[in-house]
Amino acid sequence: QKEVEQNSGPLSVPEGAIASLNCTYSDRGSQSFFWYRQYSGKSPELIMSIYSNGDKEDGRFTAQLNKASQYVSLLIRDSQPSDSATYLCAVKYDMRFGAGTRLTVKP
Amino acid sequence: DAGVIQSPRHEVTEMGQEVTLRCKPISGHNSLFWYRQTMMRGLELLIYFNNNVPIDDSGMPEDRFSAKMPNASFSTLKIQPSEPRDSAVYFCASTERDKNTIYFGEGSWLTVV
Repeated sequence: QKEVEQNSGPLSVPEGAIASLNCTYSDRGSQSFFWYRQYSGKSPELIMSIYSNGDKEDGRFTAQLNKASQYVSLLIRDSQPSDSATYLCAVKYDMRFGAGTRLTVKP
Repeated sequence: DAGVIQSPRHEVTEMGQEVTLRCKPISGHNSLFWYRQTMMRGLELLIYFNNNVPIDDSGMPEDRFSAKMPNASFSTLKIQPSEPRDSAVYFCASTERDKNTIYFGEGSWLTVV
């Protein structure tokens, strides 16, 4: 069974802080990795994708990939209350998701 | 584009009844996924189709669950008989096969009492 594991939450950070979300995966052959955000009562939406080792930045979001360690992370800088949501890691061998980490940003 | 369309949005049914959830993927998308989401188990992949053919149904919990995709624009997920532990949000999602972004429907909220 190909697995995607996320660090257990919930995670609470103060407004303006950096939130760090982590994910590990079991299949070394995986090539594509995604972070989705899900607001309460809503469906998941894509916020970041990453395919190569290293960092990828998009505004306040940075995705980091280390294929040797089978590890992908998402950093949210200058966290805002509107970032409060569940963040889901996904790996494209069959678009299997991790269990998600609930993030709360406190004003 | 209308997006992925799911129906019903909400359903409450009694244990033992048959439940059918429906999904219309985005036009032109040739991969379709069914997920189930609960607080305890998170977002679980149940089954996915490529070009209307089921590729992996290893996530289907048991024989009470079945999924079909008779054509490119329609899929169903059926639970028969339903049980209280099937209560969850069921999401349908679609994508173009060689693309990376999958698009979710708004979900079908199922409660089995």
